[in-house]
Formats: sequence, C-alpha cells, structure tokens
Amino acid sequence: DAGITQSPRYKITETGRQVTLMCHQTWSHSYMFWYRQDLGHGLRLIYYSAAADITDKGEVPDGYVVSRSKTENFPLTLESATRSQTSVYFCASSDPPNQPNGELFFGEGSRLTVL
Amino acid sequence: GEDVEQSLFLSVREGDSSVINCTYTDSSSTYLYWYKQEPGAGLQLLTYIFSNMDMKQDQRLTVLLNKKDKHLSLRIADTQTGDSAIYFCAESYGTASKLTFGTGTRLQVTL
Repeated sequence: DAGITQSPRYKITETGRQVTLMCHQTWSHSYMFWYRQDLGHGLRLIYYSAAADITDKGEVPDGYVVSRSKTENFPLTLESATRSQTSVYFCASSDPPNQPNGELFFGEGSRLTVL
Repeated sequence: GEDVEQSLFLSVREGDSSVINCTYTDSSSTYLYWYKQEPGAGLQLLTYIFSNMDMKQDQRLTVLLNKKDKHLSLRIADTQTGDSAIYFCAESYGTASKLTFGTGTRLQVTL
C-alpha cells in the first residue's frame, strides 16, 4: 500500500548505543521530516530534507544524523543514544508543488526508550 | 522556532461544543493548521486556514483566526466520543512546509 512507514515501531536500547530509525514513503514526495514528540513540548523538528542529498537542521538536531540518498528513504541515526533521546519519533513527508497548503503526511511513529 | 502555545487538557460532554485555543507568535505565518492525533497513531490534518482569512467552516469544524492577537481557535460542534484525541495547532513560515507545532491539547469527551 502507498504511504509512509516507519520501522521499528518500538525500540529499547542502552545509553551509548547507535540506533537507526527508518522511514520510507511511496508517494515520491520531495520533502521529508523527522519530529520528536515529548510531553509538554509537542512536536519538535529534528531534521528535514528538501530532496535527495539535501538535508538541513531543525530545532533540535544535536545528537542526530540523517541521510537521504534516495527520495523515498530518510533514516534517522542516533550515534550514541542518551536517556534524553527517549521519545516518540515521527517521520513526515510533504509535496509542496502539488499541495501548496503545506500539509504534512505522518508515519505512525517509532517509540524509542533509552535505558 | 517560534512558540505556539496551547492548553494541555479539555474535557467536554458528548453533544456539547468544544473550543480549543492556540496562540502563536510569528506574524508572517502563511498557513495555520489543526492536526488530530488519535492514540498510537501519527498526526492527520484536520483543517487549515490561510492567513488572510478570518474564519473557515467545514461541517462540524469552525476555525477562527485573529491575526491582531495571534490567536487561533478550533470549535467542534456536537462533540462525539470519536473526537477524543490530541489536537495540535501548527503554523508554517517561509518555504519548505516547515511547520512549528504547539504543545497539543488532549480532548476528553465524556458521556
């Protein structure tokens, strides 16, 4: 089915380990985003990408790395996980040329716990 | 990013109207949005309003925008139990569909 999928949906890891969250979309949307959701903070933008091989920092990029070698994939890597990175992570995509209202399409989220 | 503020919780009885409020700070916002998040799911766009509009109505939903006070509200008429969710307001600025989200308001609908 077309859409935006995230994996894994749930992950438990330990402090200091590397973790990669995957995001795949089948719409060929140009823009992709990573947000984290924390109580009291709402959603905060980590990184975004306007196209393959183009990425930019959002509001809270420290401790995260992204890449976009293909339009459909936008993995998020925590190089050395910390407890403060325990959160729910959402990937989203958008297609500004065809949807000028800027609507974002979200995945179902990846819940990460860092022990 | 700019701060977008919402109250954290709202409880209403089924059949009543719900009003969820939001204040934002970026006067150059192009669009303002309301997204809905059901338990265990991602966010879905509920409705949006262009910054040069004052009001938008879509079935049971009414969005009011007061640009002078930078205040956005979402009214849900005849609130149903299926409306129980977290509601996020968001604003976009510049290009790239970069949205700034509020903290979210949890709407609880009681019988």
